[in-house]
Amino acid sequence: AQKVTQAQTEISVVEKEDVTLDCVYETRDTTYYLFWYKQPPSGELVFLIRRNSFDEQNEISGRYSWNFQKSTSSFNFTITASQVVDSAVYFCALSGRSASKIIFGSGTRLSIRP
Amino acid sequence: DSGVTQTPKHLITATGQRVTLRCSPRSGDLSVYWYQQSLDQGLQFLIQYYNGEERAKGNILERFSAQQFPDLHSELNLSSLELGDSALYFCASSVPLGGGSTDTQYFGPGTRLTVL
Repeated sequence: AQKVTQAQTEISVVEKEDVTLDCVYETRDTTYYLFWYKQPPSGELVFLIRRNSFDEQNEISGRYSWNFQKSTSSFNFTITASQVVDSAVYFCALSGRSASKIIFGSGTRLSIRP
Repeated sequence: DSGVTQTPKHLITATGQRVTLRCSPRSGDLSVYWYQQSLDQGLQFLIQYYNGEERAKGNILERFSAQQFPDLHSELNLSSLELGDSALYFCASSVPLGGGSTDTQYFGPGTRLTVL
């Protein structure tokens, strides 16, 4: 069975601090995909990144970075120099080879205080 | 803007009623997915259609059904509504017409259903 665990329910930091959102996944598939989505207060789900299981390179996009480690089944997300606009619920997610459905974690609510 | 559109944005109805939610995928995407987001269940996959045919099913109740039309838009029908059906319903799309490996699902803005 596939499962995604986001142990941090809520995180609150002061603006400009760095923050890391943890994600641990379980799957028996050898080919799988990992995702992060952002859900701002307006409610829509915004795609941030997709990683396949064969690509363990870390990725950086502006203030966002992702650390994928197959050895620990983790796909953590770091926001550097956080901003108030980063306040949202962030979901880590997993899909199998067929990519038919995405299994979402329970989400981490991130609040950035000015 | 993901390119996926959903209507209506909000829907308020009574128990026992039937509603239809509509989704238009991104231009060229063949697959449509429906998800339900509720406070107690989180984000859950309901069903997937690919080019008009049902491709995968998740935790979708028998009272719910969906279809995808020749123009690729999709509808999710919810009947005999119960209070517990109140949720945010998302549609997502993926797989461009020209092939290409983008299994990333892009989500619409959602329809918030309130059952009173």
